[in-house]
Amino acid sequence: AQTVTQSQPEMSVQEAETVTLSCTYDTSESDYYLFWYKQPPSRQMILVIRQEAYKQQNATENRFSVNFQKAAKSFSLKISDSQLGDAAMYFCAYRRSNNNDMRFGAGTRLTVKP
Amino acid sequence: DSGVTQTPKHLITATGQRVTLRCSPRSGDLSVYWYQQSLDQGLQFLIQYYNGEERAKGNILERFSAQQFPDLHSELNLSSLELGDSALYFCASSVGLTVSSGNTIYFGEGSWLTVV
Repeated sequence: AQTVTQSQPEMSVQEAETVTLSCTYDTSESDYYLFWYKQPPSRQMILVIRQEAYKQQNATENRFSVNFQKAAKSFSLKISDSQLGDAAMYFCAYRRSNNNDMRFGAGTRLTVKP
Repeated sequence: DSGVTQTPKHLITATGQRVTLRCSPRSGDLSVYWYQQSLDQGLQFLIQYYNGEERAKGNILERFSAQQFPDLHSELNLSSLELGDSALYFCASSVGLTVSSGNTIYFGEGSWLTVV
C-alpha cells in the first residue's frame, strides 16, 4: 500500500526567509506523480507543484521548488522568500500513474512570522 | 477559483438524516472525485466517476453513495448520518481518467457538514 508521511506537524518561518517541508512516501511502483497542495484558512485545496517520477529534474514554480529523491522516496518542498500569504496547511500527495486514488499525508501547518 | 463548484458550503443536520452534496466540475473535465477531510482521518479518497461511470472506490462507507449525471455534475449522498460523519467534503475534477499527460486534479472549496 502506498503511504505518505509528513513528519512535521507544524513549521514556522520568518517572512522573506526560506523554509523546507518534508515528505516521504512508500511505494513499490516506478511510475507515479507527487504533489504539494496548499490549504489556506479558506479550506480550499490549491495545487502548488507537481513532480513526475520519471523526470529527474526537480520541479519549480516561482518561489516554490521541490527536492525529489526517488531512491530515498523523499519529496520536500522549499518555499523561498516566504510571504505572509504562504501561511497554510501543506499536504504532500502521491498518485500512481494508472490509478485514480490520490493519497495525502497528514499535513504540515506553516506559520509565517512578520 | 479552481472552477469546481460545490453546494452547499455549509450544512448542519441531525443524526440519522440524509443529505446530498452537489458538485459541478470544471468545464471540460470528465472525471469527478469525492474526498472527505476529517480531523482524525485526514484527507480520504471516497470515489471517482468518469463520464458518468464509477471508476474507483476508496474508503467510502456503504451509507454513502454517489453518481455522475449526463451533464457531468455529481452528487454525493450521505444517509443514516452519524456524528463521526462531520467533515469537510471536497469535490475535485480533472480532464481525464488518470494522472498522466498533465492531468491535474483541481479541488472545489468543499462542503462543511456538521452532524449534531
